[in-house]
Amino acid sequence: DIQMTQSPSSMSASLGDRVTITCQASQDIGNNLIWFQQKPGKSPRPMIYYTTNLANGVPSRFSGSRSGSDYSLTISSLESEDMADYHCLQYKQYPFTFGSGTKLEIK
Amino acid sequence: VQLVESGGGLVQPGKSLKLSCSASGFTFSDYGMHWIRQGPGKGLDWVAFISSSSGTVYADAVKGRFTISRDNAKNTLYLQLNSLKSEDTAIYYCARKGWDCWGQGVMVTVSS
Repeated sequence: DIQMTQSPSSMSASLGDRVTITCQASQDIGNNLIWFQQKPGKSPRPMIYYTTNLANGVPSRFSGSRSGSDYSLTISSLESEDMADYHCLQYKQYPFTFGSGTKLEIK
Repeated sequence: VQLVESGGGLVQPGKSLKLSCSASGFTFSDYGMHWIRQGPGKGLDWVAFISSSSGTVYADAVKGRFTISRDNAKNTLYLQLNSLKSEDTAIYYCARKGWDCWGQGVMVTVSS
């Protein structure tokens, strides 16, 4: 199975900060990675498809990138509404696997 | 486009439960569907997938115990959970292939 190692598990940042969350894949997944945002008591919402493609309605301050087996979600200028959990998902091969999640808090 | 899960609840270890996911607003029969779960305070775990032609795939942790199925005439996805264990306690979500539509989730608690 493909392991997705997500870091950090939690972080606190100030409004306006640049924030980066990373998932490292244990095997080649190409660009078959999605980033989800999940707010308390809500279902996950897709933010980034296929590593770099912004989902409909997602603010342009969110972006996705890849360097080798490392996949990153970046928020260029943190806003209060971005406080949430973030999860990556590889869908290259079954079983699909999620990262362990990142809890993003606002200082 | 909407997915609504039902059927959760409190069940004893070793017992069974059947979850449903009712779809509306799209042509259900055209889409593969996933079940995903989230343990209390934990991350997301992919559970199972059924294709539009009813081919199925399962996570190792549930293989042989859970069965995913669909009834296109009723626009409904199912997950039969057998031989339940305490570690199956979670919120169970259904999601459409493409990940753009999720249900609100249904809680399953396995406890004596």
